[in-house]
Amino acid sequence: NAGVTQTPKFQVLKTGQSMTLQCAQDMNHNSMYWYRQDPGMGLRLIYYSASEGTTDKGEVPNGYNVSRLNKREFSLRLESAAPSQTSVYFCASSDLSGPRGTQYFGPGTRLLVL
Amino acid sequence: DAKTTQPPSMDCAEGRAANLPCNHSTISGNEYVYWYRQIHSQGPQYIIHGLKNNETNEMASLIITEDRKSSTLILPHATLRDTAVYYCIVRGTEAAGNKLTFGGGTRVLVKP
Repeated sequence: NAGVTQTPKFQVLKTGQSMTLQCAQDMNHNSMYWYRQDPGMGLRLIYYSASEGTTDKGEVPNGYNVSRLNKREFSLRLESAAPSQTSVYFCASSDLSGPRGTQYFGPGTRLLVL
Repeated sequence: DAKTTQPPSMDCAEGRAANLPCNHSTISGNEYVYWYRQIHSQGPQYIIHGLKNNETNEMASLIITEDRKSSTLILPHATLRDTAVYYCIVRGTEAAGNKLTFGGGTRVLVKP
């Protein structure tokens, strides 16, 4: 039982390049989330998926797209990376029917946009 | 979602209890108080949550005031491994996707 996994762990992009961050969970959770964390700051929600087949914007969705591929996987895409998107990206999942929807986080993807 | 206010930092002696305060004066009746911590750039880790009663688990205790406008997380015997940023969060309703809104947290440094 790996919990929440994220790939890649690190990535360096040039401005304008695109990439997809992958997230998978093996806990059969309904909801999944993408957050970003800038240095010295708390996490901010980018997008979330309350259940398979649905996605909704969070606090900072601009410049990102998401896909809930199936119940296990939730990907985050940067179509044209900008230096302002340099951050650490965390994926999380939760089961609303579990203990009041505790979220479980992955180890993060560190992204540097030059 | 209700906003929370926490002190930016605090120190604690190893082996002593650490008491972390949190104000959430605009909390609504069906919102839970959650505590997470983040150890040095790792993903946040769930600690404990509560609605109105005090709660205790193997990691910590959560004391919620009767009016629910504030709470205190207690780490009973702090160790060096408890050095982390602690986030007090009021959880959104299920209709809002069970979202968590992270503030700045309290940076706790446990000293030997």
